[in-house]
Amino acid sequence: DSGVTQTPKHLITATGQRVTLRCSPRSGDLSVYWYQQSLDQGLQFLIQYYNGEERAKGNILERFSAQQFPDLHSELNLSSLELGDSALYFCASSVSPSAGRMNTEAFFGQGTRLTVV
Amino acid sequence: SQQGEEDPQALSIQEGENATMNCSYKTSINNLQWYRQNSGRGLVHLILIRSNEREKHSGRLRVTLDTSKKSSSLLITASRAADTASYFCATDSKDNDMRFGAGTRLTVKP
Repeated sequence: DSGVTQTPKHLITATGQRVTLRCSPRSGDLSVYWYQQSLDQGLQFLIQYYNGEERAKGNILERFSAQQFPDLHSELNLSSLELGDSALYFCASSVSPSAGRMNTEAFFGQGTRLTVV
Repeated sequence: SQQGEEDPQALSIQEGENATMNCSYKTSINNLQWYRQNSGRGLVHLILIRSNEREKHSGRLRVTLDTSKKSSSLLITASRAADTASYFCATDSKDNDMRFGAGTRLTVKP
């Protein structure tokens, strides 16, 4: 158990819909990272938050947004969903204080499998 | 875009044999990490090697780093069927957030 909790584990939704994925980081970790893993794209970095503030952006679509709350949990919002958004979405946390960097080990949740039909 | 690129994409060996996976990257790094992923599960951190280190060991794992060649290797000795998984390298650099390669799919046959 990594200590990172992601909910829900599975999500099936229709095209055009909006979903919210939730992540609770490991106790004490201030950095939260979101990754998308699909078969053809591998593991793609989406966005990082550190202590409530956005620190780094990767290949995140404009239809996607995220935030980190005062209690440090994070949510990834995916809207106007398309078939191609079907993927595993992972959240990771680390103690790393460095903006946009992960210079310590990261702890990954078990992921949310999103299926868009 | 990805920073680390693992090689080979897939590797199949017999139990007891050693498995070697390589990772190449493009820009200067602060550290490089190796992770393991069982099918459909979250990634698990294996080892972190900093740019000023050349070799690190952890149990049956041995990681080397050659910054002049911008490459790293992960060696798993005396492999077991339970080592079957995908292995990813991830690089951390001044200008980039942590980026993962596409992974090496290792199959260890009993």
